[in-house]
Amino acid sequence: QKEVEQDPGPLSVPEGAIVSLNCTYSNSAFQYFMWYRQYSRKGPELLMYTYSSGNKEDGRFTAQVDKSSKYISLFIRDSQPSDSATYLCAMSEGNTGKLIFGQGTTLQVKP
Amino acid sequence: DAGVTQSPTHLIKTRGQQVTLRCSPKSGHDTVSWYQQALGQGPQFIFQYYEEEERQRGNFPDRFSGHQFPNYSSELNVNALLLGDSALYLCASSFVAGGRETQYFGPGTRLLVL
Repeated sequence: QKEVEQDPGPLSVPEGAIVSLNCTYSNSAFQYFMWYRQYSRKGPELLMYTYSSGNKEDGRFTAQVDKSSKYISLFIRDSQPSDSATYLCAMSEGNTGKLIFGQGTTLQVKP
Repeated sequence: DAGVTQSPTHLIKTRGQQVTLRCSPKSGHDTVSWYQQALGQGPQFIFQYYEEEERQRGNFPDRFSGHQFPNYSSELNVNALLLGDSALYLCASSFVAGGRETQYFGPGTRLLVL
């Protein structure tokens, strides 16, 4: 069993839809949770960073962490075609070092 | 301010050969991490360098080695290449501020082993 599970999709939605992306994990020692966006043939770009449980909002993006369920989510409101990319969840035990990534979910937002 | 840069962008090698990939961190960053990303997969941690020492290592064989220079730039070396080493190799630089480390990724080097 992988430490971090993420549905690879692909996920296709119409422009303006609310998108929900999710990851589950097995290691209860994870405390730091991130979402990265990766466009085709580019490196990952950090979108959201959360410590421990709770919600964090940044513009159209909301990250949620539920440590009791070992489940994290990223919500994208009013999705745009420019949001079409692969979304990777990542997490770590400590505040430095090794990040464990999910497989990534490919999202396509159709105009 | 230049972001993380990596060279070369693409590389083709044959089995058994050796390869060296290079990374220059963002200005002000003192830590470099390397990841391997196979097609359709998430990045996998290879190792992290801080103060010219390997601080943490993932589950990769000794064929994978690295180095960090006094200017914080870094190299990843892979010996005795296997077909399975074909992947996108990502470098991430970071520094710790306010008890938090944020890793910023470069565009990667795409390695193809034939």
